[in-house]
Amino acid sequence: DTAVSQTPKYLVTQMGNDKSIKCEQNLGHDTMYWYKQDSKKFLKIMFSYNNKELIINETVPNRFSPKSPDKAHLNLHINSLELGDSAVYFCASSLRTGRNGYTFGSGTRLTVV
Amino acid sequence: AQKVTQAQTEISVVEKEDVTLDCVYETRDTTYYLFWYKQPPSGELVFLIRRNSFDEQNEISGRYSWNFQKSTSSFNFTITASQVVDSAVYFCALMDSNYQLIWGAGTKLIIKP
Repeated sequence: DTAVSQTPKYLVTQMGNDKSIKCEQNLGHDTMYWYKQDSKKFLKIMFSYNNKELIINETVPNRFSPKSPDKAHLNLHINSLELGDSAVYFCASSLRTGRNGYTFGSGTRLTVV
Repeated sequence: AQKVTQAQTEISVVEKEDVTLDCVYETRDTTYYLFWYKQPPSGELVFLIRRNSFDEQNEISGRYSWNFQKSTSSFNFTITASQVVDSAVYFCALMDSNYQLIWGAGTKLIIKP
């Protein structure tokens, strides 16, 4: 029944490792997003995909690579993890216009040690 | 420039008090949407309300009410008879003409028993 599900919920890993976060939505939305929330709770858009096509690619290190196999999935792969990558990552989805708001996943707390 | 300001970083009140969270926005668009989201201590982001720029009617949903005033570019959120479960970080957001959400920094609301 979960509308936007992302896994894992918690991820603790060492510097230099590569990790992935998966996201799936069953709302029939055509647009998906990745957000990063830092320790001060500030929400920053990272990427946005519409029907598997990248439409927003903010200034994010190229160690971060989104992959959208279909419009219901948007995964985030991170290479060579750094301490500064520690944050909560949220996946979200919406219709293209987003006028009805975004539906968020429950977040993935990434801790790099 | 598009911008959302939530000047109150943190508010603390005693249960049953009324509390208003302020949101001021800047936009050059004539058509835009405003949102409020709640982030409880459990971490998920919960959609509360959407308002379009042509609808200045105030909205009430139970103990929650929203006051949209275009003349002052404000979209304030009031909780009446606050409860401990209302403790959360509340975000105001503006959707611009490119369908991107511009987020405020959030207001942390603490309701003391």
